[in-house]
Amino acid sequence: SQQGEEDPQALSIQEGENATMNCSYKTSINNLQWYRQNSGRGLVHLILIRSNEREKHSGRLRVTLDTSKKSSSLLITASRAADTASYFCATDAAGNTGKLIFGQGTTLQVKP
Amino acid sequence: GAVVSQHPSWVICKSGTSVKIECRSLDFQATTMFWYRQFPKQSLMLMATSNEGSKATYEQGVEKDKFLINHASLTLSTLTVTSAHPEDSSFYICSANPSGSSSQRQFFGPGTRLTVL
Repeated sequence: SQQGEEDPQALSIQEGENATMNCSYKTSINNLQWYRQNSGRGLVHLILIRSNEREKHSGRLRVTLDTSKKSSSLLITASRAADTASYFCATDAAGNTGKLIFGQGTTLQVKP
Repeated sequence: GAVVSQHPSWVICKSGTSVKIECRSLDFQATTMFWYRQFPKQSLMLMATSNEGSKATYEQGVEKDKFLINHASLTLSTLTVTSAHPEDSSFYICSANPSGSSSQRQFFGPGTRLTVL
C-alpha cells in the first residue's frame, strides 16, 4: 500500500480553537487534496494544492505543502462544532493517472 | 460543479448473492472512473480503475473475478460484488473526472453501504 500517514489520528478541541492536521506521503505527486467525511457519509472536497504551490487558503482553511519533506498540513481556524468530522489527505501520483492514495485520516471532534 | 451519483445508497443482501452498484456522472462524460472501498473507521482504499470500452485495471490484492467492473458508456460504471460474503460489507465509493478537463480534481459519488448478512 502507498497510503500516507496522518497525525494526529484523533484530535479533540474546544469550539473557537484552531485545529492542525498533518499528512505525509511517499511518492512524487501532481497534487494533494484534502477531504472531509462526516460519519457514514460521502466525501466533501475541501482544497486541492498542486505540487508547485506551497500554500493555499479557502475561508477558514489553510493548507501548506512541502514537497521536499513530502508533507502537508491542514489548519482549520476558529473551529465550530460543525467541523466535527474525519479529515483525509489524498495524493494524486505523478503521471496524472487520477488515482488517489488516501492517508489514514484524522478524526476531529470540536466540543461546543 | 460536476455531479456523480451512486445507486443504491445502501443495500443489504444475503451471503452468496451478487450485488450491483452503479456510478453515474450526471453532467459530464468520464472515460475513467475509480472505485474505492472503505471499511469502518478506516480510510479509503483504491480497488480498481474503470476504463470506458476496455477492461478495468485492479489494484494489487483485489480479485477481479469477485469485483466485476463494467464501464459500458461514458457516464456509467458498474461494480458487481459477486458471491458476497460478510467480509465484503463495506462502504463503496466511486469517483470520476470530466474527460478532457484540465482540472485535476476527482468528483466523488455519495457512496453505497453494503451489508452482507
